[in-house]
Amino acid sequence: GNSVTQMEGPVTLSEEAFLTINCTYTATGYPSLFWYVQYPGEGLQLLLKATKADDKGSNKGFEATYRKETTSFHLEKGSVQVSDSAVYFCALSDSNFNKFYFGSGTKLNVKP
Amino acid sequence: SAVISQKPSRDICQRGTSLTIQCQVDSQVTMMFWYRQQPGQSLTLIATANQGSEATYESGFVIDKFPISRPNLTFSTLTVSNLSPEDSSIYLCSVDTKPGLDTGELFFGEGSRLTVL
Repeated sequence: GNSVTQMEGPVTLSEEAFLTINCTYTATGYPSLFWYVQYPGEGLQLLLKATKADDKGSNKGFEATYRKETTSFHLEKGSVQVSDSAVYFCALSDSNFNKFYFGSGTKLNVKP
Repeated sequence: SAVISQKPSRDICQRGTSLTIQCQVDSQVTMMFWYRQQPGQSLTLIATANQGSEATYESGFVIDKFPISRPNLTFSTLTVSNLSPEDSSIYLCSVDTKPGLDTGELFFGEGSRLTVL
């Protein structure tokens, strides 16, 4: 079956620190991979995505590379800001985008 | 894109009662999804609601417990019936504005936080 596992939080970093949030998946077929973000008081929104192996998704300074050999899609950012404080969800969808599977979310706290 | 409004944003209910959550979208969408997020756990799909047909429920979720209405292309309701403390969760409405196409972008409401006493 399909599932997503991501590192537990909360993750607390100082501003300008390097961020990695680990995400691994189990899937049949050829899934697409996503990172969604939920800022305080808002709904989840798409941060970035990758639809095939070796693709790199990027947005707002965040990056994640679809690694089929390690079944991973780790989220990285070189220098976090206080405004990046949010909950980050790793997710995958089946090849028809008909069904999504989410990780449990990782809360990021960035201190000034 | 899509803007989704959910009501109520939070509620506290007594066990044995029911709560109906409303989801309003600012555009017409074919597919609407209802998710549950239990404390410290991932989002779990409850059901997919398409206008003009019965909702499709995921394993472990049944219509008697989670009846869903989808009267038109911009609105849906989820009712959580016969509440118990185990139903305390955040319930999320979500839409896919371009199903079947290479977008994979779901839009979410802010969620409805339910606490059952």
